[in-house]
Amino acid sequence: LAKTTQPISMDSYEGQEVNITCSHNNIATNDYITWYQQFPSQGPRFIIQGYKTKVTNEVASLFIPADRKSSTLSLPRVSLSDTAVYYCLVNNAGNMLTFGGGTRLMVKP
Amino acid sequence: SAVISQKPSRDICQRGTSLTIQCQVDSQVTMMFWYRQQPGQSLTLIATANQGSEATYESGFVIDKFPISRPNLTFSTLTVSNMSPEDSSIYLCSVDGALNTEAFFGQGTRLTVV
Repeated sequence: LAKTTQPISMDSYEGQEVNITCSHNNIATNDYITWYQQFPSQGPRFIIQGYKTKVTNEVASLFIPADRKSSTLSLPRVSLSDTAVYYCLVNNAGNMLTFGGGTRLMVKP
Repeated sequence: SAVISQKPSRDICQRGTSLTIQCQVDSQVTMMFWYRQQPGQSLTLIATANQGSEATYESGFVIDKFPISRPNLTFSTLTVSNMSPEDSSIYLCSVDGALNTEAFFGQGTRLTVV
């Protein structure tokens, strides 16, 4: 299973754009890149998923370069409620998920 | 999407006892997953539960300690047996989404062993 590496923590301020980069050098051809968000006392929640180039939804954007060895989750104009742990995973259909350490994002007023 | 209900949401247990955690899904799913999340840590997969077959355990987890039942396609239980303080964690149930690439998680069961 491809291993992921992300910063342990990040700080930001309300209204700023936050970019969290994840390295996955050993990603396989049929792996997808998926990001989850976890608040305290809750299970992880799916944010976004992509295979290559750029994916955007109502919550975030995901940028994946051509070599797919890294990806960047972009959160536009964060608010205090975006304070959470963000996990980057690589997996393919039917495989169990392997969580790395995650990035603890703290949004300050 | 899938809605997952876990019971209990939290419990405080005496060492040496066992606790059974229930996971109910609002739709039929093939595979259900049980994770452990120790305080301040990431999630670690305990086992995969398929209906009608024995659960598949990850390295470091054994059936005697974490027996799992999967009686039908919407329900599973995880038992934490002969508990010690080191078992104090959050235990989460998960299922794959319809496309098998998005997972859904229960709220978790916060277990404290004293």
